[in-house]
Amino acid sequence: EPEVTQTPSHQVTQMGQEVILRCVPISNHLYFYWYRQILGQKVEFLVSFYNNEISEKSEIFDDQFSVERPDGSNFTLKIRSTKLEDSAMYFCASRPSANQPQHFGDGTRLSIL
Amino acid sequence: RKEVEQDPGPFNVPEGATVAFNCTYSNSASQSFFWYRQDCRKEPKLLMSVYSSGNEDGRFTAQLNRASQYISLLIRDSKLSDSATYLCVVKEGAGTALIFGKGTTLSVSS
Repeated sequence: EPEVTQTPSHQVTQMGQEVILRCVPISNHLYFYWYRQILGQKVEFLVSFYNNEISEKSEIFDDQFSVERPDGSNFTLKIRSTKLEDSAMYFCASRPSANQPQHFGDGTRLSIL
Repeated sequence: RKEVEQDPGPFNVPEGATVAFNCTYSNSASQSFFWYRQDCRKEPKLLMSVYSSGNEDGRFTAQLNRASQYISLLIRDSKLSDSATYLCVVKEGAGTALIFGKGTTLSVSS
């Protein structure tokens, strides 16, 4: 069964550095998402992406964050000038159409030191 | 503010027990409803969608009450492998983001 894949599985970064989290959505999917989950808290929506542009974003997704689909297969989340509170599990998700369920990748654990 | 509220638990039950989880959502315009399962430090996985008429998938039964903005999940004949956190999830429209509850933790013991 096709899967959403995310790399790296764990990223450790110094505060203030930039990180790029990578996702390869399922190949025929058209909608892409990033969520995050701070340890012990709920899964929170960050951003959705469709037709090569952001379709929706949450209040968490401020100027520190950006997303890109650089080559038709990868979907990346960039976090500039990381803060301690950016430490979380980041999940990528995709789905083939608006009314189909989202499929989640197994996440990248981001630790900011 | 869009909210999905769940009893965090934990629910500790023996194998074979029946257990029920409840969830309420704040936005009456919400259109789609789901239960996801999340194992420790893993990604959420879709357990089942929730339909207005109620639906069943094996040992799992989901109910939706739109008037009360209330969703439930019933698990019959609990197995050890059912131990996980169960996430109530709401979507407000086609193509929009999922809104997650914090989850209810279930621990099934032998």
